[in-house]
Amino acid sequence: EAEVAQSPRYKITEKSQAVAFWCDPISGHATLYWYRQILGQGPELLVQFQDESVVDDSQLPKDRFSAERLKGVDSTLKIQPAELGDSAMYLCASSLDRKETQYFGPGTRLLVL
Amino acid sequence: GQNIDQPTEMTATEGAIVQINCTYQTSGFNGLFWYQQHAGEAPTFLSYNVLDGLEEKGRFSSFLSRSKGYSYLLLKELQMKDSASYLCAVRDGAQAGTALIFGKGTTLSVSS
Repeated sequence: EAEVAQSPRYKITEKSQAVAFWCDPISGHATLYWYRQILGQGPELLVQFQDESVVDDSQLPKDRFSAERLKGVDSTLKIQPAELGDSAMYLCASSLDRKETQYFGPGTRLLVL
Repeated sequence: GQNIDQPTEMTATEGAIVQINCTYQTSGFNGLFWYQQHAGEAPTFLSYNVLDGLEEKGRFSSFLSRSKGYSYLLLKELQMKDSASYLCAVRDGAQAGTALIFGKGTTLSVSS
């Protein structure tokens, strides 16, 4: 069964450092989402891509976060500089198209010290 | 505004039936989803409702009433492995994107 791949699974960093997360969606899925989930909360959208284009990045803290999906396949989310409040689970999800069911990857758990 | 409410915690016994309720207020509506999330893991898709009524899938059923802004997830013949967080999520449809708006999740504990 096809799955969304993410790496790394865990990341510990110090504040002010740069971190990057990678996501490889299910093959053929045009839509890719990055969500952030704080412990005890539901996931919240950071950015949505349709192929290589950004559809919605209204909730992305653009002063420190950036995301790209250059070839419309895999995607990278970067934080620079990391802050203590960025500690969370970063989830990538993909769907065949915008209105199809979203399938989540295993997530990257980030701890900022 | 956008708001999705679900109970924080529920407990049940193995073999029983449990109903997890979800109420929502969103700018638009283009479908309601239920996901299961075990501790430290990613959410996994359980069910999808876009029209009023009941959708059944094995031990799991989900109901939607759009006029009431209400949904529930029904779990039958509970098993220990059903202990998890259950997330209710709405696709707003009025936003530029099609991302889901999630509730905070309901932590279900199943005991023997």
